[in-house]
Amino acid sequence: EDKVVQSPLSLVVHEGDTVTLNCSYEVTNFRSLLWYKQEKKAPTFLFMLTSSGIEKKSGRLSSILDKKELSSILNITATQTGDSAIYLCAGAPSGTYKYIFGTGTRLKVLA
Amino acid sequence: GAVVSQHPSWVICKSGTSVKIECRSLDFQATTMFWYRQFPKQSLMLMATSNEGSKATYEQGVEKDKFLINHASLTLSTLTVTSAHPEDSSFYICSAPTSVSYNEQFFGPGTRLTVL
Repeated sequence: EDKVVQSPLSLVVHEGDTVTLNCSYEVTNFRSLLWYKQEKKAPTFLFMLTSSGIEKKSGRLSSILDKKELSSILNITATQTGDSAIYLCAGAPSGTYKYIFGTGTRLKVLA
Repeated sequence: GAVVSQHPSWVICKSGTSVKIECRSLDFQATTMFWYRQFPKQSLMLMATSNEGSKATYEQGVEKDKFLINHASLTLSTLTVTSAHPEDSSFYICSAPTSVSYNEQFFGPGTRLTVL
């Protein structure tokens, strides 16, 4: 059975800290891995990773995929209170649009 | 990016009533849409795949007679929660992939359903 597991489940840090969120996957016919940020409403897209070892960056956020280890990390540097959210990763198999979502990591950044 | 809307954004209803939630793709056509449910502090759980012009495909454990899905046009899918009960209270989110970037899904803002 396909599954995506994230760790930690929750995390509390102070502003300015750097955090690393983990995602491991077991997805049949894996195509890509996606990261989303969810605040109070629907998830917003962060990254889509298809190739192993290529870092994607957007401001203070970066992510990389390791297909050998079947995992991905999401790094957030110099965290701000606005980064407080649930971070979801999802595995996308090829041949289907269906995503398999992980449990999410709830990040809280304290001022 | 592509825009997906949902209506209503929140609804409170009495137990036993039916509630309809709409999901629209505003600037693209979506032959496929997905319906998710999210309980508090939990991740998104895929309920069903809505297919334009054909029957929806339900995930294991989701009652198709309770969660009626109709995908009547290329821009609209509806989810009807029939005979709602308090345990159906949840956050319902739809999503749709675009033909341009089929790898990426765009999510609607969600509908919070509270059944009293």
